[in-house]
Amino acid sequence: NAGVTQTPKFQVLKTGQSMTLQCAQDMNHEYMSWYRQDPGMGLRLIHYSVGAGITDQGEVPNGYNVSRSTTEDFPLRLLSAAPSQTSVYFCASSYMAGGRGTDTQYFGPGTRLTVL
Amino acid sequence: GDSVTQMEGPVTLSEEAFLTINCTYTATGYPSLFWYVQYPGEGLQLLLKATKADDKGSNKGFEATYRKETTSFHLEKGSVQVSDSAVYFCALTGYSTLTFGKGTMLLVSP
Repeated sequence: NAGVTQTPKFQVLKTGQSMTLQCAQDMNHEYMSWYRQDPGMGLRLIHYSVGAGITDQGEVPNGYNVSRSTTEDFPLRLLSAAPSQTSVYFCASSYMAGGRGTDTQYFGPGTRLTVL
Repeated sequence: GDSVTQMEGPVTLSEEAFLTINCTYTATGYPSLFWYVQYPGEGLQLLLKATKADDKGSNKGFEATYRKETTSFHLEKGSVQVSDSAVYFCALTGYSTLTFGKGTMLLVSP
């Protein structure tokens, strides 16, 4: 049971390049999400998904795209990287606790992205 | 919308001191409340949680009580250790999103 895995751990991009951050979980969680963590800002939600084929925007979705074709995978795409997207990105997953919504989130180890 | 406010850090303590990190929230409905901890270079992991008013979450000597009347979920520990040095995040869950506070860094010296 690997939990939540993220690749790569580190990435350096040039402005305008595109890339995909990978996230996978093996716990059969319905809910998956992407956060970015910046100094003094805490964690901010980028996109989330409550099941395969269903995605929605979080607090800071601009410049990012997601899809959820399987329960296990939830990749995050940067369409045209900008220096403002330099951050640490965390993927998380959880069960949906019936009518009460998301339960305890399990986090991946993070991807540290630098955009030059 | 939902929001979480927690005390700014860093909080600097000596080993065996008493710890309190304040957390207050604004939310509609009846959210679940969480404390997550982040050790250097790692992702967040759940420390404790409470799902309804007056519930007390506890783990590894840490405790927090869900106080609906004061909309608070303060984190406490009676005697901190150097290994408790980390960043602590208070959070609440709505139906499909999790809202975090900005985090409080705790530094414990021997």
